[in-house]
Amino acid sequence: KAGVTQTPRYLIKTRGQQVTLSCSPISGHRSVSWYQQTPGQGLQFLFEYFSETQRNKGNFPGRFSGRQFSNSRSEMNVSTLELGDSALYLCASSLGARWENTEAFFGQGTRLTVV
Amino acid sequence: AQSVTQPDIHITVSEGASLELRCNYSYGATPYLFWYVQSPGQGLQLLLKYFSGDTLVQGIKGFEAEFKRSQSSFNLRKPSVHWSDAAEYFCAVGPHGSSNTGKLIFGQGTTLQVKP
Repeated sequence: KAGVTQTPRYLIKTRGQQVTLSCSPISGHRSVSWYQQTPGQGLQFLFEYFSETQRNKGNFPGRFSGRQFSNSRSEMNVSTLELGDSALYLCASSLGARWENTEAFFGQGTRLTVV
Repeated sequence: AQSVTQPDIHITVSEGASLELRCNYSYGATPYLFWYVQSPGQGLQLLLKYFSGDTLVQGIKGFEAEFKRSQSSFNLRKPSVHWSDAAEYFCAVGPHGSSNTGKLIFGQGTTLQVKP
């Protein structure tokens, strides 16, 4: 079956702009989580959506937001981009159940560069 | 606070040699534990996971990990490393509770280099 698909793979944006990243989960998966990966901070949890509702949120400013559609596809948005937002953004999909009954499958990520 | 520590940022081993990557966690109870691998420019692939029961778990690609409650550790091992194992390895904790669904806490990662 198809894996987690993230688009686009690469993005270059200017400071102050906004950006939208997309994630299509594995068919049947209702949970989508987003992570930011940087050399300095490593992998950090942004938020998780399940059945169009945000269930969990990491410690990021309000400039980072997301949503999930009825088909479980998810988007994340970053407004007023800063240089420090340059990162690999990873999306993970799962069944959304307890961890003993599911696992997270990751997409290849979107590499965002802010100039 | 919940945290994961991977003490070794970079490890180099010769092909065919054994490997052990260290992981220590800080958590109030026995967490859900995972090891992921990331090749350059790629996402993360799950190698193995531990929830309960037998403390030695087997994963894909010949990897295994041992959970030691007394040491709060979950070290990853492989008896004989192949050149294709060169990648970055992440240990992760999945906290319990409905407020932590979908959330994984990752260590900083260990980069494995394999010498021919």
